[in-house]
Amino acid sequence: DAGVIQSPRHEVTEMGQEVTLRCKPISGHDYLFWYRQTMMRGLELLIYFNNNVPIDDSGMPEDRFSAKMPNASFSTLKIQPSEPRDSAVYFCASSLVSGGNSPLHFGNGTRLTVT
Amino acid sequence: GQQVMQIPQYQHVQEGEDFTTYCNSSTTLSNIQWYKQRPGGHPVFLIQLVKSGEVKKQKRLTFQFGEAKKNSSLHITATQTTDVGTYFCAGDNNDMRFGAGTRLTVKP
Repeated sequence: DAGVIQSPRHEVTEMGQEVTLRCKPISGHDYLFWYRQTMMRGLELLIYFNNNVPIDDSGMPEDRFSAKMPNASFSTLKIQPSEPRDSAVYFCASSLVSGGNSPLHFGNGTRLTVT
Repeated sequence: GQQVMQIPQYQHVQEGEDFTTYCNSSTTLSNIQWYKQRPGGHPVFLIQLVKSGEVKKQKRLTFQFGEAKKNSSLHITATQTTDVGTYFCAGDNNDMRFGAGTRLTVKP
């Protein structure tokens, strides 16, 4: 079991640039979550998918953020255009069934720095 | 989504002392999960509580779920330096929203 795989591990970009974060969930997991972690706001849920369908995107900060899950083994989180306040660690997590009934397995995260 | 509040935000203890973190929900939970995140790492699942009044132990860690299923606690007996990290609780709804976490530091 390779676990949840995220790429890149680190991303440094300039304000205004497009950023794409990638995630490969654990095979067979039906749920995929995107979280953002900062010192000020803690671990925030951005969006989650069930069977590749977005269920709740109320945590997405604004229209600059978008997430897709074209198939069961891949998801992206895109920020366009990026701003310095987007600097954070972004985690992807997957779970076998609905989040409250099985553990979340987190990836190692992507540390994003926007200058 | 439902809110889970965690206290304290920070806790600094001397090695060997006990540590407790508390999680409170504004609504009744069907279950609750606890996670630990080491510095620089990612959250790792520790345990899930489901039943009212449930108590589970993992070595020096004791987890409790309140009778009303609105609160939970994690207690560590005789802390060690390996316990350092941030401990999170997470509510039971499908959207799995996390508390702010309690950051534990342990002085050798």
